[in-house]
Amino acid sequence: DTAVSQTPKYLVTQMGNDKSIKCEQNLGHDTMYWYKQDSKKFLKIMFSYNNKELIINETVPNRFSPKSPDKAHLNLHINSLELGDSAVYFCASSLTVGPAGVIPSYEQYFGPGTRLTVT
Amino acid sequence: DQQVKQNSPSLSVQEGRISILNCDYTNSMFDYFLWYKKYPAEGPTFLISISSIKDKNEDGRFTVFLNKSAKHLSLHIVPSQPGDSAVYFCAASDNQAGTALIFGKGTTLSVSS
Repeated sequence: DTAVSQTPKYLVTQMGNDKSIKCEQNLGHDTMYWYKQDSKKFLKIMFSYNNKELIINETVPNRFSPKSPDKAHLNLHINSLELGDSAVYFCASSLTVGPAGVIPSYEQYFGPGTRLTVT
Repeated sequence: DQQVKQNSPSLSVQEGRISILNCDYTNSMFDYFLWYKKYPAEGPTFLISISSIKDKNEDGRFTVFLNKSAKHLSLHIVPSQPGDSAVYFCAASDNQAGTALIFGKGTTLSVSS
């Protein structure tokens, strides 16, 4: 009954390779996010999608391309991996439009993270 | 430039005592604040939040206080338990639901028995 899941949990790869990280949520949320936690432990937003539409795209190299096939999934594809891409990547989701009469909340629910190591 | 700052990297408390974690922010547009708890090798878990129209929100052992004029918030845990040992992140939002959360660097809380 995992709410937000990510695969794989660990990813070790060489520079120059292309890799993908998958994220799925079963909370019925309409917005999904990718955050990056770097070596300094800061969690920073990379992208967000609302109903499959890109709404936030921070200053991220265009080697990173998010793909949202449906509201429950947001995948992250990374081309030509570099050493500096090594980090923990977290997927998150939230509900921004609730049922009639229900005020949505700001809380975002996070997946367990994917530790990417580029060698 | 950090918009959300947690100036104490770590805090050690004895079991049963109060833990107070602090957070400062610089952006006056922030109107919603959240605390997340994170264990190693896991994702952040939502703990408690507060809207800028309130100055206090309580949920069981956890209370968050907001001082808008000082741009400061704090999380109080009473009584502290060993299972509370984790990294605590303060986060802020400057828009309506669906916007990105801006996180502080985190404070590692250690509760000893």
